[in-house]
Amino acid sequence: DQQVKQNSPSLSVQEGRISILNCDYTNSMFDYFLWYKKYPAEGPTFLISISSIKDKNEDGRFTVFLNKSAKHLSLHIVPSQPGDSAVYFCAARRAGSYQLTFGKGTKLSVIP
Amino acid sequence: EPEVTQTPSHQVTQMGQEVILRCVPISNHLYFYWYRQILGQKVEFLVSFYNNEISEKSEIFDDQFSVERPDGSNFTLKIRSTKLEDSAMYFCASTREGNNQPQHFGDGTRLSIL
Repeated sequence: DQQVKQNSPSLSVQEGRISILNCDYTNSMFDYFLWYKKYPAEGPTFLISISSIKDKNEDGRFTVFLNKSAKHLSLHIVPSQPGDSAVYFCAARRAGSYQLTFGKGTKLSVIP
Repeated sequence: EPEVTQTPSHQVTQMGQEVILRCVPISNHLYFYWYRQILGQKVEFLVSFYNNEISEKSEIFDDQFSVERPDGSNFTLKIRSTKLEDSAMYFCASTREGNNQPQHFGDGTRLSIL
């Protein structure tokens, strides 16, 4: 089941620079998308979400962009900080459903 | 900030035994979920629960599994006759009422079946 794909297993970024994490999906019925951050031995922590009626949502250093025609979303973190080092999961929810479908995650390392 | 709490953090059980994983969702949340993550794999949806009944479940959630809200605060996942392949991290999540509300997760219970 590859409905939500995060093709980069890892990403390294210099502190202060922009981190861009990407996510692709195949199910056109998805209408709500979320990004979670996960540290080892902890659960996923909600970061930011976007509804399919929008193409951008911003919250502080985090911005999520949605390109419905390309079935692609991205998370921008700027400026990146060492504390942002974690695994980032993209998740999506179908209209009328409760379940989230997760990607495999991208491990972000922010280098001081 | 209110959070979802899960107990125990680690459960070791003999194959064939029953296990109960416990969760206390965020107090004003009305929708509750269980997910699992087998080592090296994706987080997978198991079940959602609203108004004292299952609202949705995945193919994974077969007769071996059950959920219950025994009182006003706890939400439990019971696994009967555990198998080796049930070894995983089990995450509880909850959501408040309303459209497009994010699910908030607990730190999980690591279940090890021997």
